[in-house]
Amino acid sequence: GESVGLHLPTLSVQEGDNSIINCAYSNSASDYFIWYKQESGKGPQFIIDIRSNMDKRQGQRVTVLLNKTVKHLSLQIAATQPGDSAVYFCAENNNQGGKLIFGQGTELSVKP
Amino acid sequence: DGGITQSPKYLFRKEGQNVTLSCEQNLNHDAMYWYRQDPGQGLRLIYYSQIVNDFQKGDIAEGYSVSREKKESFPLTVTSAQKNPTAFYLCASMDGGNAETQYFGPGTRLLVL
Repeated sequence: GESVGLHLPTLSVQEGDNSIINCAYSNSASDYFIWYKQESGKGPQFIIDIRSNMDKRQGQRVTVLLNKTVKHLSLQIAATQPGDSAVYFCAENNNQGGKLIFGQGTELSVKP
Repeated sequence: DGGITQSPKYLFRKEGQNVTLSCEQNLNHDAMYWYRQDPGQGLRLIYYSQIVNDFQKGDIAEGYSVSREKKESFPLTVTSAQKNPTAFYLCASMDGGNAETQYFGPGTRLLVL
């Protein structure tokens, strides 16, 4: 049956601090990873991606780190702002017909 | 504006009723996807289509049906066989070729009366 009422992992940070959101992925054959941001009641928005031949990729205020040895992905947000409050999902592409596998998500709460 | 649109934003279903959720994209993307999201959970794949007139079941296809008669449209029907339809439904699309990133619409929240 379906699971209901699960609580998302939550990260609470002070405005201006750096945030680190972690994700463990499932398939060692996955070669492309994406971070999405989902605000309440909206669809997920693409933030940043990384391929498996890279360890690190930087965007504007965001950095993604990939550790293939332990199948771990992280998203770092610098100088976190109230507008960063959202649920963040990682997704992996394991080359099966364009399908993505999504993590459970982490809720980021920014305190002013 | 280019993008993915979903309608309606809220949809109410009576017991035993079929309802259809609309998803349209003007990005000229080949592939389209439907996901279900329950509170506090990630996205689960219902159906996907990589090309017009073809679609495949995802992980939770039971109680749902789709069609892909046009490249820009991928409607999802929630049938009466879906006993727990209350959820947030998200449509996504992806370009063809070597593209790997999916882009999402704003979602439709389905509620049961």
